[in-house]
Amino acid sequence: AQSVTQLGSHVSVSEGALVLLRCNYSSSVPPYLFWYVQYPNQGLQLLLKYTTGATLVKGINGFEAEFKKSETSFHLTKPSAHMSDAAEYFCAVSESGGSYIPTFGRGTSLIVHP
Amino acid sequence: DVKVTQSSRYLVKRTGEKVFLECVQDMDHENMFWYRQDPGLGLRLIYFSYDVKMKEKGDIPEGYSVSREKKERFSLILESASTNQTSMYLCASMQPTAYNQPQHFGDGTRLSIL
Repeated sequence: AQSVTQLGSHVSVSEGALVLLRCNYSSSVPPYLFWYVQYPNQGLQLLLKYTTGATLVKGINGFEAEFKKSETSFHLTKPSAHMSDAAEYFCAVSESGGSYIPTFGRGTSLIVHP
Repeated sequence: DVKVTQSSRYLVKRTGEKVFLECVQDMDHENMFWYRQDPGLGLRLIYFSYDVKMKEKGDIPEGYSVSREKKERFSLILESASTNQTSMYLCASMQPTAYNQPQHFGDGTRLSIL
């Protein structure tokens, strides 16, 4: 069975600082991994995804994530935070050959201070 | 671009009422989902549908039912609304059995039961 753990329900950074949002997954088969962002009063939208191939994945708005199989991690990073990055971020996993329904983490709220 | 439209952004209903939440997608996706989102609990799957008139229970189906009479429309029904069903409800759609494809979300319906 697949599962996702997002470390830290809230992460606070200063504008211009590095953003690091942590995601660890559990999967018995090669996973497909996703990061979604949810701005206030909106639905979720896809930031980036890992399926196969290059383990460093670039997404929208300057975000990227690296799939590390040995660490079962898919952490999301951005070199320099903007005020507009303040949102809720969700990591999700689905399993190749298993249920196509993804499992979501509980989310991390990113707070950006001026 | 896929568009998933939820009929109401905000809804206020009374205890005991029958409540309908509507969702329409325009990309001919076979799979549609209803989630409930609560602070600290992330997204929890209520029901999903993989075809017209087909439905499957998710993790928290109690107190809810669904209807899928047409491919593009998926309705969530609260048979007798209770205060503990006050929440944000998110609809999503997805390409059929494509593990590496993301879900597409609507903007959500914030439902208050008084």
